[in-house]
Parts: sequence; structure tokens; C-alpha cells
Amino acid sequence: QKEVEQDPGPLSVPEGAIVSLNCTYSNSAFQYFMWYRQYSRKGPELLMYTYSSGNKEDGRFTAQVDKSSKYISLFIRDSQPSDSATYLCAKETSGSRLTFGEGTQLTVNP
Amino acid sequence: GAVVSQHPSWVICKSGTSVKIECRSLDFQATTMFWYRQFPKQSLMLMATSNEGSKATYEQGVEKDKFLINHASLTLSTLTVTSAHPEDSSFYICSARQGVATNEKLFFGSGTQLSVL
Repeated sequence: QKEVEQDPGPLSVPEGAIVSLNCTYSNSAFQYFMWYRQYSRKGPELLMYTYSSGNKEDGRFTAQVDKSSKYISLFIRDSQPSDSATYLCAKETSGSRLTFGEGTQLTVNP
Repeated sequence: GAVVSQHPSWVICKSGTSVKIECRSLDFQATTMFWYRQFPKQSLMLMATSNEGSKATYEQGVEKDKFLINHASLTLSTLTVTSAHPEDSSFYICSARQGVATNEKLFFGSGTQLSVL
């Protein structure tokens, strides 16, 4: 079983839609979770960083962690064509080593 | 946010040659840098952890003699792919940690696309 599982998509939505991206993880010892955005042939860009269960909001982005079900989510409100990218969830292991999910490819159509 | 510069952004080389990729932290000192590899439509896979002034720590299955890592200063880590073969063609990405506390301070370079002919 992979440590972090993510549906690779692709996911296609119209502009303005609410996007829901999800990951599950297998090791309940992990505490730090991140969401990264990666444009084609570019390095990942950190979007959200969460430490505990609950919601964390930053502008149009909301990260949600449910430790009881080992589920992490990223919601994007009022999605824009510029949000089209691959979204990667990641969890932290010791010493800042990250394990990434497969990434979900998102396309927001104008 | 902090900037991590990676060079070159792309490189094409002949099979059997060696290629060096540089990763620099431009406005902060990075005691630890990480090297990842990403194949098309796949996620990033950690190759090794590079520590300034000491030997790199390689992930299981990564050949340390093939992927040489040098972290000679607090702002520069290099990855050398020795005797490159077509199966080494991939997107290589470095990341650098600013400070020693939270994982929030982890920044990625823009990546290097390596194509081995």
C-alpha cells in the first residue's frame, strides 16, 4: 500500500466551479501535510501546510485534514483557468523528507 | 518567499557522459537540500538528502555511485549523473530547507529536464 494515495484524474471543471482534491494516507503517525501546485515542467509551489485536524483557509484555498479517517483535502473556490496545474499532496517524514501523492491534473475551462 | 535556483533548466547529453546539475539557495542558507526525480505523469520521488559538509543520504534503490551529490557550501548542492543512460532521462528537482524548524520553509527549484540520447 502506498503511503500517500491520490486520484491522478484528470479533472476538468468549468471556470468558477468549486474543486475538491483528495488524498488518503496510511500512517497515522504523520502530522504534517502539504499541498503543492506544479505547472508543467516546473518545480512544485507550496500552497497550503497543515499540522492538525480541521480546516485551514488561505484566500480561495482551503485545506482540510481528517486524521480519524486519514483523509486530506484541498478545496479551490471560484476556480480560474490559471489554476490549471497538477496538485500534489505530501506528508512529512523525519527531517523534512516529503512523500508525495501521484498528483491530480486539473484543468479549469474558461 | 525564498528562492531556490536550479541550473540548467534542461540538458541533452550523449549516453555515457556525465551531467552536473546545480541547486542554489539565493537568499538563505540551506543546511539541507533534497534531490527528487520525476518521470512523466508520475509524482516526485526522493532520491537523496544532501547535508552541508557531510555525505548525502540516499533513498533505497538509488545508486550513490551513479548519482553523486556534493553540498560544499550552505548555498550550493550539486547532483552529478555519471555515465548517463537513456533510462536516466527524467525531470530532476531540488529543494532546500530554510531554517531547522517547520516544513513550511521548504522551497523547490524550477527543475532540470535531462534527456540522454
